[in-house]
Amino acid sequence: AQSVSQHNHHVILSEAASLELGCNYSYGGTVNLFWYVQYPGQHLQLLLKYFSGDPLVKGIKGFEAEFIKSKFSFNLRKPSVQWSDTAEYFCAAQYSSASKIIFGSGTRLSIRP
Amino acid sequence: DVKVTQSSRYLVKRTGEKVFLECVQDMDHENMFWYRQDPGLGLRLIYFSYDVKMKEKGDIPEGYSVSREKKERFSLILESASTNQTSMYLCASSLWDRGRNEQYFGPGTRLTVT
Repeated sequence: AQSVSQHNHHVILSEAASLELGCNYSYGGTVNLFWYVQYPGQHLQLLLKYFSGDPLVKGIKGFEAEFIKSKFSFNLRKPSVQWSDTAEYFCAAQYSSASKIIFGSGTRLSIRP
Repeated sequence: DVKVTQSSRYLVKRTGEKVFLECVQDMDHENMFWYRQDPGLGLRLIYFSYDVKMKEKGDIPEGYSVSREKKERFSLILESASTNQTSMYLCASSLWDRGRNEQYFGPGTRLTVT
């Protein structure tokens, strides 16, 4: 079955530390990949997306993600986190031309000021 | 700017009650979705709809039904609420664009069933 795995359930970092959140998706042919973020009390919003082309994609607020096809991975990175990055992050995959998107279980990021 | 609205932010219902959760989007999107969000489980798809009066089961449809009579509105119905349906419910919509459909989410409805 198609699935998305996020292995880090809760990550705690200090401000200015570098961030990498892992995301792996199961094989299923052509795939579109997304990272969504949910700040406390707010709705889910799109951080970045990969459809094709350059495997390094840049999103909002200084986030980027790299699509590595051979590893079935789409890890999220940020060189220097801020307290305002405290949120829950969801990786998601959409296979071929299906409407539905499969979400990972989420990673809660806590930033110590 | 896409706007997805949900009828309530918080809802408390009793076991056995019929519950309606409403979702409206203002961007003429073909696709609409209902998810539930639970800690450690991420988002799980309940139902989705790709056109008016069309619906498809998601991963966890049991205990739920949906209605889409108008393009902009997608309702989730709990026929007889149970305590295990206490959760955060998220509605989303997307444009059908050759399969490249990022989803836009509403603020969520936190439902408590007592």
